[in-house]
Amino acid sequence: GAVVSQHPSWVICKSGTSVKIECRSLDFQATTMFWYRQFPKQSLMLMATSNEGSKATYEQGVEKDKFLINHASLTLSTLTVTSAHPEDSSFYICSATQGALGGNTIYFGEGSWLTVV
Amino acid sequence: AQSVTQPDIHITVSEGASLELRCNYSYGATPYLFWYVQSPGQGLQLLLKYFSGDTLVQGIKGFEAEFKRSQSSFNLRKPSVHWSDAAEYFCAVAPGGDKIIFGKGTRLHILP
Repeated sequence: GAVVSQHPSWVICKSGTSVKIECRSLDFQATTMFWYRQFPKQSLMLMATSNEGSKATYEQGVEKDKFLINHASLTLSTLTVTSAHPEDSSFYICSATQGALGGNTIYFGEGSWLTVV
Repeated sequence: AQSVTQPDIHITVSEGASLELRCNYSYGATPYLFWYVQSPGQGLQLLLKYFSGDTLVQGIKGFEAEFKRSQSSFNLRKPSVHWSDAAEYFCAVAPGGDKIIFGKGTRLHILP
């Protein structure tokens, strides 16, 4: 079946540096990808929706200059956390779908743990 | 305000007992509805979803959910839980069909 892969699964970075997380759809073309963050023991909060070839749509309260999202191809979206700080430490999960949610399944990646020290 | 509510943060049931996890939503029209399960440190697994049609939806692992329009609810049920069902359960909605919003989750504990 369809699989969404995230890389890296976990990453530790120093405060002030930038880190990139990749989200790939392995056997289907993902016209839309979503990025979520999840703090420990909390729910998933939608950060942004990205459509291939266009700018991402960010949810209210999410800093677009801090969380750069690129969806340059139908199989790859990237989330770059710029100038990371310890409060950015979280579990980041991407999901992908081939089209409108009503007619297509949405698939979730396994998540990426980010720890900023 | 539009929202999806899971009123129970934690639920504890004995192994073999029945289970019901509650979910309510507040959107004008019937959104797409989902239940996901997440084990600690893991990603999400879709249990079942409702888009239209039969209001009783069968999912994987013996789970089912019933959509009740009059109550704006989509409760998850299982007749007999197993120890391996211990996890976090998220109800989610796609109000406009273009993105999925999650509830705060319910942590299920299983007593031996």
